[in-house]
Amino acid sequence: QSVLTQPPSASGTPGQRVTISCSGSSSNIGSNTVNWYQHLPGTAPKLLIYSNDQRPSGVPDRFSGSKSGTSASLAISGLQSEDEADYHCAAWDDSLNGPVFGGGTTLTVL
Amino acid sequence: QVQLQESGPGLVKPSETLSLTCTVSGGSLSGYYWNFIRQPPGKGLEWIGYMYYSGNPNYSPSLKSRVTISVDASKNQFSLKLSSVTAADTAVYYCARGRGGAYHYRFDYWGQGTLVTVSS
Repeated sequence: QSVLTQPPSASGTPGQRVTISCSGSSSNIGSNTVNWYQHLPGTAPKLLIYSNDQRPSGVPDRFSGSKSGTSASLAISGLQSEDEADYHCAAWDDSLNGPVFGGGTTLTVL
Repeated sequence: QVQLQESGPGLVKPSETLSLTCTVSGGSLSGYYWNFIRQPPGKGLEWIGYMYYSGNPNYSPSLKSRVTISVDASKNQFSLKLSSVTAADTAVYYCARGRGGAYHYRFDYWGQGTLVTVSS
């Protein structure tokens, strides 16, 4: 059972906008910033969004993040087939004194 | 470009110690937190712990009694030892570089992971 809650799956058609939610508590998302990771099986996970809404260099602006209270969201606009991957949210947890993750969301591009 | 690569046995017997090494290339260990993270089959990611480059380990409370992470700056490597393993420790193990304080903590580079199976 993961500390942060994500839907197990999401889907969309090419060009569509998709959002993935991440729910936590006051000790993690409510107190600290949220990061999102993109993971294609067999490859190294990639930092996609950090500090709630910041994109590392090289990440397309089709990807955006937001946070409100104890929840966060990842939005992908102009969906492309290459976006098909697992997406994980994470945040520091003050109670556990370490980072915690969501269970991951598998995105399918139909 | 920083790259991380895990290495170690893919099969460990129950009750024995799992040992993995992560080799860092393209950058030094200085100034960062060096982490191990795992993903059991069909489950989410789980943080195991980190060692700051100059010391000060921090381990997940659920694994703390069995985990040791160490850093070897001369080899640009860091290592994981997980003792008394059971089948529940079967997972893909990743190493990752951490940065930022608790408020901003994130993993900016990851290895591609290595599957470790616990079985007799």
